[in-house]
Amino acid sequence: QQKVQQSPESLSVPEGGMASLNCTSSDRNFQYFWWYRQHSGEGPKALMSIFSDGDKKEGRFTAHLNKASLHVSLHIRDSQPSDSALYFCAASEHRHNRIFFGDGTQLVVKP
Amino acid sequence: NSKVIQTPRYLVKGQGQKAKMRCIPEKGHPVVFWYQQNKNNEFKFLINFQNQEVLQQIDMTEKRFSAECPSNSPCSLEIQSSEAGDSALYLCASIQGPAEQFFGPGTRLTVL
Repeated sequence: QQKVQQSPESLSVPEGGMASLNCTSSDRNFQYFWWYRQHSGEGPKALMSIFSDGDKKEGRFTAHLNKASLHVSLHIRDSQPSDSALYFCAASEHRHNRIFFGDGTQLVVKP
Repeated sequence: NSKVIQTPRYLVKGQGQKAKMRCIPEKGHPVVFWYQQNKNNEFKFLINFQNQEVLQQIDMTEKRFSAECPSNSPCSLEIQSSEAGDSALYLCASIQGPAEQFFGPGTRLTVL
């Protein structure tokens, strides 16, 4: 069973709009969560980490974690065409352990 | 920006051939990971090292995969006898302390 589930599989938003991505884990041992972004032809790059319940904001990006429900979300406000990419939710039990990735959300921001 | 270096960027092999790829982690990062990302963008963890020692690894079926991170040399991942199903993007990542994993651009392996 996939340990990290993401939704939606794909998302299209207009430039300047809000994009919301969701992620649910099935493993209560996960303590550390990340959002990664991958552009075509590149390796994934970490966007944000979130380790505590609540919201974490960095510029246009806000992550939310609810450990009780094992739910993580990412909200991108004022979306730009350059935000178009594959987004992955990732989780691990310990900070130096392997990361479990979700299947990804393909975000398209239309000018 | 990540400075994890992976070579080659593209690798084409015939079935049964050896395929070897290399990774230079970010300077000062003692922990190195290898992942396989298939055409459906699914990630599969392969192995990780702390300095030269293996921390975790999957049960690499048929033992066709081998990896090492020797001191003062690039880390490497080798597939002894490539199969069509091995075609994927192989990603190396490194980490220092309690931070996110920094990924290289990957080696795209195509097995004909």
